[in-house]
Amino acid sequence: DSGVTQTPKHLITATGQRVTLRCSPRSGDLSVYWYQQSLDQGLQFLIQYYNGEERAKGNILERFSAQQFPDLHSELNLSSLELGDSALYFCASSGTAPGYTFGSGTRLTVV
Amino acid sequence: ELKVEQNPLFLSMQEGKNYTIYCNYSTTSDRLYWYRQDPGKSLESLFVLLSNGAVKQEGRLMASLDTKARLSTLHITAAVHDLSATYFCAVDGADSNYQLIWGAGTKLIIKP
Repeated sequence: DSGVTQTPKHLITATGQRVTLRCSPRSGDLSVYWYQQSLDQGLQFLIQYYNGEERAKGNILERFSAQQFPDLHSELNLSSLELGDSALYFCASSGTAPGYTFGSGTRLTVV
Repeated sequence: ELKVEQNPLFLSMQEGKNYTIYCNYSTTSDRLYWYRQDPGKSLESLFVLLSNGAVKQEGRLMASLDTKARLSTLHITAAVHDLSATYFCAVDGADSNYQLIWGAGTKLIIKP
């Protein structure tokens, strides 16, 4: 257990639907990062939050949004889903020490 | 443009052999990371290298950092099948506003 908790582990949904992925960072970590990894691809950075505020944006589609709550957990909302959104979605957290801890990921399948 | 280049991208080797994965980066990086990923699984942190000349070892894996050459290596000694995985390097620092810049990953297959 890395200390970063992601739910659900698996999600199957239809095109056009909306889903919410959840991430609880490691205790004490204020930063949360979201990544998308398509099959056999590298990691695409989506967005970062630090202590509730958006810190940086990567290649995040307008159909996707995220937020970080006062208890520091974060949610990634994916809407108007397309087949191409099928991927592994990872959350990572970091604190004051160098390093990033990844959660186990959510595997999203859009059918 | 901030870039991290890994090579090779694919490596098939026999058990018992030694090999090295290279990671070149274009930024003035503060920190370099190596991660391991098994298929469909999460990313496991292997090493964090913070300074020029840093060398870290864990089992059959050894990582080093040369900040002047902007090069890190991940050396595998006497490979075993269990080391089969994809290995990623990544850097962050002031140049990237402390966002991780990732290499494409090296898929390593070790045959018994």
